[in-house]
Order: sequence, then structure tokens, then C-alpha cells
Amino acid sequence: DGGITQSPKYLFRKEGQNVTLSCEQNLNHDAMYWYRQDPGQGLRLIYYSQIVNDFQKGDIAEGYSVSREKKESFPLTVTSAQKNPTAFYLCASTSQGEPSNSPLHFGNGTRLTVT
Amino acid sequence: GQNIDQPTEMTATEGAIVQINCTYQTSGFNGLFWYQQHAGEAPTFLSYNVLDGLEEKGRFSSFLSRSKGYSYLLLKELQMKDSASYLCAVSWDQGGKLIFGQGTELSVKP
Repeated sequence: DGGITQSPKYLFRKEGQNVTLSCEQNLNHDAMYWYRQDPGQGLRLIYYSQIVNDFQKGDIAEGYSVSREKKESFPLTVTSAQKNPTAFYLCASTSQGEPSNSPLHFGNGTRLTVT
Repeated sequence: GQNIDQPTEMTATEGAIVQINCTYQTSGFNGLFWYQQHAGEAPTFLSYNVLDGLEEKGRFSSFLSRSKGYSYLLLKELQMKDSASYLCAVSWDQGGKLIFGQGTELSVKP
């Protein structure tokens, strides 16, 4: 079955360490997105990529970095510069043909806790 | 600025009907999505509206008024499994980016 896989489901890190969250999709989607979800807040866009080897900053990109070397993969690195990294991170993808009306397909998320 | 408002939480009874409202103010509009999210899980797509009016899909319906910047999600014959967070999101540019509301936590009681 096609879908988006995020790993791991839970991740714990010490403050000051960089950590990379994995996102892989086999839906043949061109566009991929990273969102952050905090209690009581809507999903906020961190980075997105509409094509391989290209990506753009979202609304809250500071302290994060991404790469898009393969169509299937869009890893997110949470750097030590991110001031409040503890959150639930969601990866999503959509077909590029009509991105404005194509629903996002989400992975099951990674809950990152930094202490 | 971009803004989407929806109630933080609602409670309803099993078998009843509930309406979850969403108002938005965005710089562009290419459609409005509703997603359902159970605790700790991924959001799943429920509906999409781009034209004014009501879209019905089984027990769930979604309404849009572009002139009023308003949408609602109507859930009929509520079941316990409908207890979840319901997210309203607006597509505001051609690139497919969405702005999300904070979500409405719906609790269905027996």
C-alpha cells in the first residue's frame, strides 16, 4: 500500500544536539511538506519542497534544515538553534498536478522531546 | 495577516448532529479543507470546498461561503469514534500551501 512513513514515532534528545527526522513516501508525489504541531495551535509549516533538489522556507523555518535529494525522501534536521524543539512533527505530501486542491497525505508523525 | 478561527472544543451526544464552524481571513483563496485527527495520529482528509454551497459525503457535510469567509463541518448520527480534533485549513496560494486553524476538539458522549 502507498503511504508516508515517518520514523521514529518517539524521539528523545538532549539540548544542544542536532536530530534528523525521517520521512519517506511511495505515493510518487512531487510535493512534500514538514509541519509542526503544538498543543492548542494549528499546524505550522516549516519547509516544503515541490521538486527534487529544491525547497523553500515555510513560516517557521528558523532552527531547521531539510534536503530533497530523492523524490521519495524529505528528511528534517532540528538543529540546536531551534529554541523550542519539543513538538509533534508531521510530514505530508501531495500530487503536484493540482496542488491547490489536492489533499495532503500525512505520515503518522514523530514526537520529539528535547530535555 | 492570515487568520483562521474555530472553536477550541465542543461536546455532543452519540446519535446527535454537531456543526463545527470555521471563519478565515487570508490573502488568497483556492479552497478550504477539513481534516480529522485522532490523538497522536496523522490528520486524515475529510472534505474540500472551493465553490459556495454544501458538499455532502455520507454522515459528513461541509459548507462554504466565500463572501463571508465562513465554512462549517456538519457531522450527523454521531458515533463515539467521531471523538477527535477537526482541523480547518485554507489553501491560499497556487503552490498548495495551507494555513491551518487550531483545531476543534470534539468529544462525543454516550
